[in-house]
Amino acid sequence: DVKVTQSSRYLVKRTGEKVFLECVQDMDHENMFWYRQDPGLGLRLIYFSYDVKMKEKGDIPEGYSVSREKKERFSLILESASTNQTSMYLCASRAGLVSPLHFGNGTRLTVT
Amino acid sequence: AQKITQTQPGMFVQEKEAVTLDCTYDTSDPSYGLFWYKQPSSGEMIFLIYQGSYDQQNATEGRYSLNFQKARKSANLVISASQLGDSAMYFCAMRERLQGAQKLVFGQGTRLTINP
Repeated sequence: DVKVTQSSRYLVKRTGEKVFLECVQDMDHENMFWYRQDPGLGLRLIYFSYDVKMKEKGDIPEGYSVSREKKERFSLILESASTNQTSMYLCASRAGLVSPLHFGNGTRLTVT
Repeated sequence: AQKITQTQPGMFVQEKEAVTLDCTYDTSDPSYGLFWYKQPSSGEMIFLIYQGSYDQQNATEGRYSLNFQKARKSANLVISASQLGDSAMYFCAMRERLQGAQKLVFGQGTRLTINP
């Protein structure tokens, strides 16, 4: 079974802090994704990556950056956290284009 | 413009009844894919079913089937013989190629509640 692990389940940070959300998958998947989930808005794509050191902007990349130095790890970075980035963050990976996404359990981030 | 539209924010269904969750989509990519996911209150996202745009037959997986009407751009999820454990958020998602990149976009979700 594919395992996608997000390092924190809950996180509380202050406005202006630099925040790192870590995601690791154990199935050698090339594609990895970061979404945020907000009530009434569904899941919105922040960034995704097809391979190591490659990244593509999603629909809402502003205020975020990503890092993929190793195939199994995809990090989401909030350079200067703001209260409107309070949300549930979901990481996912997939084996190929027609393969389903496998999701981590999510990180609920609160920025105060 | 919304790429994936789920018009039912919430649905209430009696146990053992069949339920249809609506999903309409918009894309100019001729080769796309449609997914349905279930998210129980625990928060995990569970893949249910997949339909490719060139698939001739509607996808089925156990009690789940996808009513794919390509001309109407709809991909409704049908759950037969609903169970209490089906209570969850359900998300429709579409894979499409945009500017060379294969993205997966999600709808707003439908919260399904199964009543005993």
